[in-house]
Amino acid sequence: EVKVVESGGGLVQPGGSLRLSCAASGFTVSTNYMNWVRQVPGRGLEWVSIMYSGGSTYYADSVQGRFTISRDHSKNTVFLHMNSLRAEDTAVYFCVRDIGGDFDFWGQGTLVTVSS
Amino acid sequence: QAVLTQPSSLSASPGAPASLTCTLRSGINVGPYKIYWYQQKPGSPPQYLLRYKSDSDKQQGSGVPSRFSGSKDASANAGILLISGLQSEDEADYYCMIWHNSAVVFGGGTKLTVL
Repeated sequence: EVKVVESGGGLVQPGGSLRLSCAASGFTVSTNYMNWVRQVPGRGLEWVSIMYSGGSTYYADSVQGRFTISRDHSKNTVFLHMNSLRAEDTAVYFCVRDIGGDFDFWGQGTLVTVSS
Repeated sequence: QAVLTQPSSLSASPGAPASLTCTLRSGINVGPYKIYWYQQKPGSPPQYLLRYKSDSDKQQGSGVPSRFSGSKDASANAGILLISGLQSEDEADYYCMIWHNSAVVFGGGTKLTVL
């Protein structure tokens, strides 16, 4: 069964850092495209980042230079390292498998709250 | 102007069809783009419905009923999600998506009410 489970969310102060994890099962993250998508509760979806199977990465302009996506093949896990966090980064963060552009499996999400 | 524009809400009756539009910004031609559609119900993550570029290049999500289909309206520069035979369980938020300039763009979403 394909599954992705996010963790690592929580309350962090502005300017702080957080690392989100996305543990996958039923498939191998390093041979798939993996994305992070976020959603402010009650609002729309915003794409954050992608890591391709070959290792290349792309980011939304809103997080470029502050967020970094990475993966650990041995743990079959994808990470989102978030630095210099701002109030506007507050959202539920979803880990999503991407099959040739189709975002076919979404995790349940983890809530990040940036507040003093 | 947003890259993708969706009506914020739409209401339709059970059994009736519903046509959800996703309009691309002026200057971005819908023709070459694959339009992806997702459904999100309260308290749940989005679910992949389908992808549509043309009648010869489309994909239905696993387990997605055939009453969900995609198309394009070139004159309106828009992608369309058509739901035939609306059911109460179709009440949800619907998002369109494209890949544009090496980034993913989502529309603002349409809240579909079945009443």
